[in-house]
Amino acid sequence: GAGVSQSPSNKVTEKGKDVELRCDPISGHTALYWYRQSLGQGLEFLIYFQGNSAPDKSGLPSDRFSAERTGGSVSTLTIQRTQQEDSAVYLCASSLRASGADTQYFGPGTRLTVL
Amino acid sequence: LAKTTQPISMDSYEGQEVNITCSHNNIATNDYITWYQQFPSQGPRFIIQGYKTKVTNEVASLFIPADRKSSTLSLPRVSLSDTAVYYCLVGDDPTDKLIFGTGTRLQVFP
Repeated sequence: GAGVSQSPSNKVTEKGKDVELRCDPISGHTALYWYRQSLGQGLEFLIYFQGNSAPDKSGLPSDRFSAERTGGSVSTLTIQRTQQEDSAVYLCASSLRASGADTQYFGPGTRLTVL
Repeated sequence: LAKTTQPISMDSYEGQEVNITCSHNNIATNDYITWYQQFPSQGPRFIIQGYKTKVTNEVASLFIPADRKSSTLSLPRVSLSDTAVYYCLVGDDPTDKLIFGTGTRLQVFP
């Protein structure tokens, strides 16, 4: 079926506002990952889900960041009280299982700009 | 916790073979080694994966020595379209966060 999709593709917001980023993984993929990529930088791991559970949330940069996944499918990354340093591309990936042996399929990303 | 080290950048010319090495001294027994390619404004995409020795597919080869503390991605006869950032990913247990390295920015010149 279709690949990983993310919405919106671009989001411009004002400092202090909350934003929600959405990820639709490939159907049947039990694992879902969120990464952040600042301009010209590598990928920073944020959080992963196995099913609806997030076993390790320590990659989230601050308590303003949260994520949830429902029905073993769609995931939402929420950033509260956005700051300018939150500006980045947020990438979502899914794989069959949460294992390094399974290929991660990435979405196109959401470019977040905080003014 | 496996961590990877790659050269920051490499330059090459069309038609040449390019070898990018990734160091992963703390690789664990169950860890796989996976390489991804990323073009600007796109998410990374899978290139090749291996566990030991040599793996070859239609786009690349992956060489892994016996101690598995490093791996080398080999791109035969690169073209301009191979200009991208290449990431080495090592891990198996997701609690290792499947950390991507800093990536190697490959620039191919005509």
